[in-house]
Amino acid sequence: DSGVTQTPKHLITATGQRVTLRCSPRSGDLSVYWYQQSLDQGLQFLIQYYNGEERAKGNILERFSAQQFPDLHSELNLSSLELGDSALYFCASSGWTGLWNEQFFGPGTRLTVL
Amino acid sequence: AQSVTQPDIHITVSEGASLELRCNYSYGATPYLFWYVQSPGQGLQLLLKYFSGDTLVQGIKGFEAEFKRSQSSFNLRKPSVHWSDAAEYFCAVGAGGGYQKVTFGTGTKLQVIP
Repeated sequence: DSGVTQTPKHLITATGQRVTLRCSPRSGDLSVYWYQQSLDQGLQFLIQYYNGEERAKGNILERFSAQQFPDLHSELNLSSLELGDSALYFCASSGWTGLWNEQFFGPGTRLTVL
Repeated sequence: AQSVTQPDIHITVSEGASLELRCNYSYGATPYLFWYVQSPGQGLQLLLKYFSGDTLVQGIKGFEAEFKRSQSSFNLRKPSVHWSDAAEYFCAVGAGGGYQKVTFGTGTKLQVIP
């Protein structure tokens, strides 16, 4: 158990809909990262937040947005969903220990768009 | 831009045999290198990491990896594979500087036969 929790575990929805994925980081971790894992794209970095502020952006679509709240939990919002958005979405968190911060991954949310 | 290549999509080994998973990276500066393991239905777990120093790094579960700058490689090894090692393995390269952006390879699925 990494200490990172994600809800829900599974989500099934229809095209055009909007969903919200939630992530609670490990206690004390200030950074949250979102990743998308799909069969055709592999594991892709989407976005990073640090203490409530966006820190880095990866291959995140404009239809997707994220935020990190004062209690440090984070939400990833996916809108106008398409079939191709079906994937496993991971959240990771890290603290600050110096040069590099080890990222601890949550169990993921499996999104199925029908 | 950083990138990672894992040339082997699937590898099958017999239980007790040795294992080597290949990883080549591309990064302009000194890389932060990682190997993660993902068991079916699970999140990613860090096996080991290389930041600097000794080029042979030891990880959890009996795994080790060797950083070879001249070959831009970071291959993962295990002297004797156990059936429980069957999983997908991801090599990753990280950019530091506070951004912590991690780029993953496409993964290698390991099958272990009795």
